Amino acid sequence: QQQVKQSPQSLIVQKGGISIINCAYENTAFDYFPWYQQFPGKGPALLIAIRPDVSEKKEGRFTISFNKSAKQFSLHIMDSQPGDSATYFCAASIQGGSEKLVFGKGTKLTVNP
Amino acid sequence: ETGVTQSPTHLIKTRGQQVTLRCSSQSGHNTVSWYQQALGQGPQFIFQYYREEENGRGNFPPRFSGLQFPNYSSELNVNALELDDSALYLCASSWGGARTNYGYTFGSGTRLTVV
Repeated sequence: QQQVKQSPQSLIVQKGGISIINCAYENTAFDYFPWYQQFPGKGPALLIAIRPDVSEKKEGRFTISFNKSAKQFSLHIMDSQPGDSATYFCAASIQGGSEKLVFGKGTKLTVNP
Repeated sequence: ETGVTQSPTHLIKTRGQQVTLRCSSQSGHNTVSWYQQALGQGPQFIFQYYREEENGRGNFPPRFSGLQFPNYSSELNVNALELDDSALYLCASSWGGARTNYGYTFGSGTRLTVV
């Protein structure tokens, strides 16, 4: 059973556009939801994270929207740039629990100039 | 402040062989987690080490084992390699063990190819 489902698998956006990646989770005990960015040949790097007590978190051009009742969260990248082209992973975990970071399958984002 | 360092970066092994991968955690971090990332997939949790003891394990067979040393560095050992073990192996360090499943810093990984 896949605990974190991510869509779309790939996404092509024009420079300056908005990139939106969605994730849905199964386990209601998850209480930490990070997004990671991974460039080819590199490990994932933490981009932004949210806890379920807030519905939105913004850091620069990156925003997480969180819907606890629907068990969904999404990443919005405003004013997308070619340098944002990478694979993005959503993840979830439980504080103090044995459930470590559970990742989605990833979204390959391409931002065309 | 140094990041997470993994070695080697690439290696090729034959099916049935054994392999050891190494990880140096980020300065100030005392917890190390290992993940397997198959091509085109998200990382999957293998196990975590905190204070030199295994602190959580994912759905991986016993031939995947590990160690953590007093300086918080870690090793991942895989015995009886199978073709499906071909993947990018990621090490992530953090602080605080199971109480803090956040703040992970990932290394660039070791690309293992089993032939």
